[in-house]
Amino acid sequence: ETGVTQSPTHLIKTRGQQVTLRCSSQSGHNTVSWYQQALGQGPQFIFQYYREEENGRGNFPPRFSGLQFPNYSSELNVNALELDDSALYLCASSFSNYEQYFGPGTRLTVT
Amino acid sequence: QQQVKQSPQSLIVQKGGISIINCAYENTAFDYFPWYQQFPGKGPALLIAIRPDVSEKKEGRFTISFNKSAKQFSLHIMDSQPGDSATYFCAASVNTGNQFYFGTGTSLTVIP
Repeated sequence: ETGVTQSPTHLIKTRGQQVTLRCSSQSGHNTVSWYQQALGQGPQFIFQYYREEENGRGNFPPRFSGLQFPNYSSELNVNALELDDSALYLCASSFSNYEQYFGPGTRLTVT
Repeated sequence: QQQVKQSPQSLIVQKGGISIINCAYENTAFDYFPWYQQFPGKGPALLIAIRPDVSEKKEGRFTISFNKSAKQFSLHIMDSQPGDSATYFCAASVNTGNQFYFGTGTSLTVIP
């Protein structure tokens, strides 16, 4: 059984650019949630996907968008990057309402 | 508005001692309370979780105490070891698989 994987590990982007982060959920999991973790803070919920549909969204602007694919992997897209978007982006997968398991994260730096 | 308040922000404990981290919440709809352990550069790892129908749950050296009336829960790490040095987050959700509201984290250092 493979765990949650995320790519890339690190990314540096310039303000105004767009970025796509990827997540492969744990085998057997059908739900993916994305979180943003600023340095020294707890993770903040961005949104969740269940069976390819958005299933809840946190307090993030529309320039944060996502997709879930038929194999339950997922993408997080962020448009018009701002300096404050610099953070660790975490993906967590679960099977419906069972425990969520986090990936190692993608460290995004916006300059 | 912080849905889950966590304290202390940092904690230093001698090897073999007891580490205690506290969390409080307001939303009585929360029904799942996990604790996560995070090492630098890694994602949070599920440590132990509890539901409000029990007041205590123990797994090895880790114990969650839950006080439903006070809307508080705490993590106790018995016989703390240097390898336990990490950041610990409490969280809460309505249903296990829904969005988590995380505390602000506690940086634990266990001194040999």
